[in-house]
Amino acid sequence: EIVLTQSPGTLSLSPGERATLSCGASQSVYSSYLAWYQQKPGQAPRLLIYHASSRATGIPDRFSGSGSGTDFTLTISRLEPEDFAVYYCQQYGSSLRTFGQGTKVEIK
Amino acid sequence: QVQLRQWGAGLLKPSETLSLTCAVYGGSFSGYYWSWIRQPPGKGLEWIGEINHNGRTNYNPSLKSRITISVDTSKKQFSLKLSSVSAADTAVYYCARGEGATPVPFDYWGLGPLVTVSS
Repeated sequence: EIVLTQSPGTLSLSPGERATLSCGASQSVYSSYLAWYQQKPGQAPRLLIYHASSRATGIPDRFSGSGSGTDFTLTISRLEPEDFAVYYCQQYGSSLRTFGQGTKVEIK
Repeated sequence: QVQLRQWGAGLLKPSETLSLTCAVYGGSFSGYYWSWIRQPPGKGLEWIGEINHNGRTNYNPSLKSRITISVDTSKKQFSLKLSSVSAADTAVYYCARGEGATPVPFDYWGLGPLVTVSS
């Protein structure tokens, strides 16, 4: 099983600031099959990034992903009020799909 | 536009079997893997398992002994059964579309009913 560890657990920032979220894998993620999701209270997760750096349909370009192997990053260039939420990374390179524990981005 | 609609019992007693169905509207059903994912209240996401239109399944080993995922391609539906439930199985259960010809993961999700296990 590939264990994904996200850091930090909580990120306190102000609107307009840059957010950098990390996701570390216990072993290399095959073909960088790493995705990022955003989840707001009472809602299903929304796919933001797949294949480490490809934006999903309709996702604003302030969201970007990078990384390979065991280290991945989600960057939100300038936080908008609607971006305050919980973010999860997920790997789909192995037959057992796994998620990180989440990073909460909260308003400072 | 692809939509996933789920239904099933929301309240179960310990040792009963959880049963949920997810119907897919819009888009293609064949050629994709269809997954179940759960989220205990206030906690993170756990992938349960997946099935394709041919009935090929892939289960999370931690739940494999208790789960069955089936498909009805004619109705564009897939179902989850989880046996011998306990309070630890209380969660929001989501269905989601997985990878198809291109490896794009869970891009469409159901709304996810909360399933509560309580005596």
